[in-house]
Amino acid sequence: GDSVTQTEGQVTVSESKSLIINCTYSATSIAYPNLFWYVRYPGEGLQLLLKVITAGQKGSSRGFEATYNKETTSFHLQKASVQESDSAVYYCALSDNNNRIFFGDGTQLVVKP
Amino acid sequence: GGIITQTPKFLIGQEGQKLTLKCQQNFNHDTMYWYRQDSGKGLRLIYYSITENDLQKGDLSEGYDASREKKSSFSLTVTSAQKNEMAVFLCASSITGTTNERLFFGHGTKLSVL
Repeated sequence: GDSVTQTEGQVTVSESKSLIINCTYSATSIAYPNLFWYVRYPGEGLQLLLKVITAGQKGSSRGFEATYNKETTSFHLQKASVQESDSAVYYCALSDNNNRIFFGDGTQLVVKP
Repeated sequence: GGIITQTPKFLIGQEGQKLTLKCQQNFNHDTMYWYRQDSGKGLRLIYYSITENDLQKGDLSEGYDASREKKSSFSLTVTSAQKNEMAVFLCASSITGTTNERLFFGHGTKLSVL
């Protein structure tokens, strides 16, 4: 079946340093799934951060970027310089061609001042 | 903008009890979802519905029933609560199959079973 893997349960980064959160996917029901990053800030509901629907394209939002890499089946989330306000839980997700959306286990980002 | 409302926010049940969670959306979205999230884990799909009166099973449907009697509402029933079960149930809605595809989530119902 389709699935998403996030290998890091928690990532700790000092403020103003760069960040990468890893995401790989497996899609058997669809050749080119849509890929998403969702975020949950403390005390808030889960919300979309960015999405990419075309292989090879990059999505960006709030200084975060992710590139849809079909060859490595990856969709890593990156930011050049994190801020304390970026502390949150980040979820990678994909959608198949049956309206189902699958999530990874999430990565807690802790930004140290 | 729209909103997704989940009731109740907190639900405490007894082992073996049937428990119902409700979700309302005013986005006029066709597709609605129920996910379960255990502590420190990702979201697992229980049921989804692509239109009124439609039901589709997710990977975690055993032990649950769902109902989509109106476009705007989607309810989930835990058919027999398991002792010491604790999880958050998230409802979401979406326009799917288009370039506008994204999920909008409610704030969740936190379930505890005594």
